[in-house]
Amino acid sequence: SQQGEEDPQALSIQEGENATMNCSYKTSINNLQWYRQNSGRGLVHLILIRSNEREKHSGRLRVTLDTSKKSSSLLITASRAADTASYFCATDDGGYNKLIFGAGTRLAVHP
Amino acid sequence: GAGVSQTPSNKVTEKGKYVELRCDPISGHTALYWYRQSLGQGPEFLIYFQGTGAADDSGLPNDRFFAVRPEGSVSTLKIQRTERGDSAVYLCASSLGGGSTEAFFGQGTRLTVV
Repeated sequence: SQQGEEDPQALSIQEGENATMNCSYKTSINNLQWYRQNSGRGLVHLILIRSNEREKHSGRLRVTLDTSKKSSSLLITASRAADTASYFCATDDGGYNKLIFGAGTRLAVHP
Repeated sequence: GAGVSQTPSNKVTEKGKYVELRCDPISGHTALYWYRQSLGQGPEFLIYFQGTGAADDSGLPNDRFFAVRPEGSVSTLKIQRTERGDSAVYLCASSLGGGSTEAFFGQGTRLTVV
C-alpha cells in the first residue's frame, strides 16, 4: 500500500517558471522526504523534513509540511530543463521503520 | 563500493523459472529495503531489513517472494515460479537508520518474465 499521494500526477512548465508539487499522507509520521527519479531507475534523495519542522530550504528547493493536514509541498524555483524527472514523497510509518512512497509527479520542463 | 550496487541490471526469464536478484548496500548501512516499481508508479515496498533480520516483510506479495540478508550486508531477493506479472524494476536501498534517514538507492534490476 502507498502512504503518500502526490498531485498533480503530471506537470509541464517552461524553463524559469516555478514548479509546485503536493503530497498527502495518511498516518502520523516522524519525517517526510522527497526524492527524484530520472528514467525510471535509481532514486536520489532531495530533502528531509522532520515532523516538528514547517519549512525547509535547499538551494532552489523549498519544502513545507503541515502535519495537521497531513500534507507537504515541494517547490522548485527557477526551473531548468535538467529538472525534468519524476518526484516522489516518502514517509516513515511513524515507527522509524519502513519508508513508503507515493505515486509521484512527473515534471517536464521545456527549454 | 561508493554506492548501492544491484546485479544484474537486467534479467529476462521464462515464466515458471526461479530468479535471484542481488543487492550490495553501502558499507555500514544497517537498514536495507527492497521495492518493486512498475511503469508510471511509485516504488512499492516489499521488505525491510535491520541488520540480518527482516524487520518488516509485509509488502511481499505472496510466498513466491523471499529475501535474505545472512550477514547483515548483501541481500538477495528470490522469486520462485515467476509470473508475467512479476515483471518490474526491483529497487534496493540502504540507509543508516531506517525510515528516519536518507535512503540511498541502487540503479535497480529490470526483471522481464516472458
